[in-house]
Amino acid sequence: GAVVSQHPSRVICKSGTSVKIECRSLDFQATTMFWYRQFPKQSLMLMATSNEGSKATYEQGVEKDKFLINHASLTLSTLTVTSAHPEDSSFYICSAVDSQNTEAFFGQGTRLTVV
Amino acid sequence: AQSVSQHNHHVILSEAASLELGCNYSYGGTVNLFWYVQYPGQHLQLLLKYFSGDPLVKGIKGFEAEFIKSKFSFNLRKPSVQWSDTAEYFCAVNAWTGGFKTIFGAGTRLFVKA
Repeated sequence: GAVVSQHPSRVICKSGTSVKIECRSLDFQATTMFWYRQFPKQSLMLMATSNEGSKATYEQGVEKDKFLINHASLTLSTLTVTSAHPEDSSFYICSAVDSQNTEAFFGQGTRLTVV
Repeated sequence: AQSVSQHNHHVILSEAASLELGCNYSYGGTVNLFWYVQYPGQHLQLLLKYFSGDPLVKGIKGFEAEFIKSKFSFNLRKPSVQWSDTAEYFCAVNAWTGGFKTIFGAGTRLFVKA
């Protein structure tokens, strides 16, 4: 199947700093990528839908100024957690959809810890 | 709004027992359906998927799922579980609802006793 690479896999940052997470589709072009957040022992919650060349669509309750999403190319989307706080600590997962819009492939996730 | 319901949050089984995890979705249009597994400390892995055709789908590791359109269900089954099946299982649905989204159920945590 298609490969989605997410980087970094783990990051620890100080409170107040910003962290950028990259999501790349390695062997296919992804016009749409999704960002999820997973709290411990909970399901994946969709944060936003990222479309190449346009603004991301955020789910209700997700602060767009806090979680900046950029999808500048067909193979790369980035999520920047700005002015991170301990409550932003979580597991962030991206997925990318193939051109047939039929299946989403997931990255390995990024565990963010804000201290 | 599109939603996915998984009926059991926690399931405990003994090895060799049969497994069925329920999944219902709410969306009237064409959907693609998935079951993912997340082993402890690992990322999501696709177990199986349904796009069209035979509603009984066979996946990896002996899992299968049946799509029943009239019931909006996509239940996951395995005839005989193993200790190594201990994991969390997520049902997911994607559909076009003014935008293409994959929505996950809350997950079912399965513990298989050796």
